Amino acid sequence: SQELEQSPQSLIVQEGKNLTINCTSSKTLYGLYWYKQKYGEGLIFLMMLQKGGEEKSHEKITAKLDEKKQQSSLHITASQPSHAGIYLCGAGPANAGGTSYGKLTFGQGTILTVHP
Amino acid sequence: NAGVTQTPKFQVLKTGQSMTLQCAQDMNHNSMYWYRQDPGMGLRLIYYSASEGTTDKGEVPNGYNVSRLNKREFSLRLESAAPSQTSVYFCASTGASKVYGYTFGSGTRLTVV
Repeated sequence: SQELEQSPQSLIVQEGKNLTINCTSSKTLYGLYWYKQKYGEGLIFLMMLQKGGEEKSHEKITAKLDEKKQQSSLHITASQPSHAGIYLCGAGPANAGGTSYGKLTFGQGTILTVHP
Repeated sequence: NAGVTQTPKFQVLKTGQSMTLQCAQDMNHNSMYWYRQDPGMGLRLIYYSASEGTTDKGEVPNGYNVSRLNKREFSLRLESAAPSQTSVYFCASTGASKVYGYTFGSGTRLTVV
């Protein structure tokens, strides 16, 4: 089964600082998803990456998938208190065909705290 | 608002009691999932339903049962609750496109004493 390892497990930064969260897979990634969770709430979909070398951005958050498709990074530029929460990466199964991707396996999450 | 609705939001059970967690989605999604979230362990899949009428075990199915009542509803039942089932439970659904990921409910925080 596929395992995802996130690092760091927790991160405390001062507002305005940049930060990076990593997600490493034991197997080739066929669809890598990033989610954000605020305490006591559900997960919010951020971005999905499929192709090696792919990079996507949304506001101040950029996610990349490496060429070998075994590692992804999430980078936040000029962090704000609104960025605080738990970030999780999720990976789809290798046998997901067509447009559906089946069940996801998640990393253990990275807790981000941003001090004003 | 469209999305995934879970009930209840909070529940306290005594060991041995039973209960059913309800989940409904109004996005016409085919697939639905139940996950549990524990500190430091991310989300682990309990059961899923790829389409109406089918259910399959996930990573941690022991102690749980599910019912896909119709396309909208997917319930999770604890027949005899144990303290190890204290967790936050999330229901999620997906449609035909994998581009948008799962849509998650807001979770049920369950404590078994």
